[in-house]
Amino acid sequence: QSALTQPASVSGSPGQSITISCTGTSSDVGGYNYVSWYQQHPGKAPKLMIYDVGNRPSGVSSRFSGSKSGNTASLTISGLQAEDEADYYCSSYTSSSILVFGGGTKLTVL
Amino acid sequence: QVQLQESGPGLVKPSETLSLTCTVSGGSISTYSWSWIRQPPGKGLEWIGYIHSSGSTNYIPSLKGRATISVDTSKNQFSLRMTSVTAADTALYYCARGTKMAIINDWGQGTLVTVSS
Repeated sequence: QSALTQPASVSGSPGQSITISCTGTSSDVGGYNYVSWYQQHPGKAPKLMIYDVGNRPSGVSSRFSGSKSGNTASLTISGLQAEDEADYYCSSYTSSSILVFGGGTKLTVL
Repeated sequence: QVQLQESGPGLVKPSETLSLTCTVSGGSISTYSWSWIRQPPGKGLEWIGYIHSSGSTNYIPSLKGRATISVDTSKNQFSLRMTSVTAADTALYYCARGTKMAIINDWGQGTLVTVSS
């Protein structure tokens, strides 16, 4: 099972919006509405930000939103803040009943 | 709020067996799904496998036959055992809980395992 494809890096200025893509296949992202997104700050454990494509856990800012079209899922962060600078990973359930992660995207807030 | 804490040797010799334990507090291990995830230094996340409260398990194909996840409900712990380790298994190992198999809600702080002679 190959890792999902994410851009290595994205950047944006405070207040702007950015979108991180996560591309898979019909056997994972495209086949199930089980895409999650995780935020990881340096030296910290990942934190769940979005689950089931577009749902936010309690306590996660509404500035974070998720969507999916075909085999590609997306995480959008609006009103960028300095604290959003981190690595972001997508994950998806697959037809093999396993979980696969994306390679990760480093978000830089300029 | 559930808390997870990994424990185990930080150094394992090549060809030997890696054994890690995750102690769960603030919640019962008899419900939900319990996963192991690893992250090589400077690299991305890799899901290793999970055990469901029903007892069913699954692992990534590349580790099938080498990795085993088990639960000890009396101690509220679950464990990872990985045989025949190589340097490629050097990573930060996280234990985690998911309300569903595809969602990782809660993570331990991670424990670094280095495979070296």
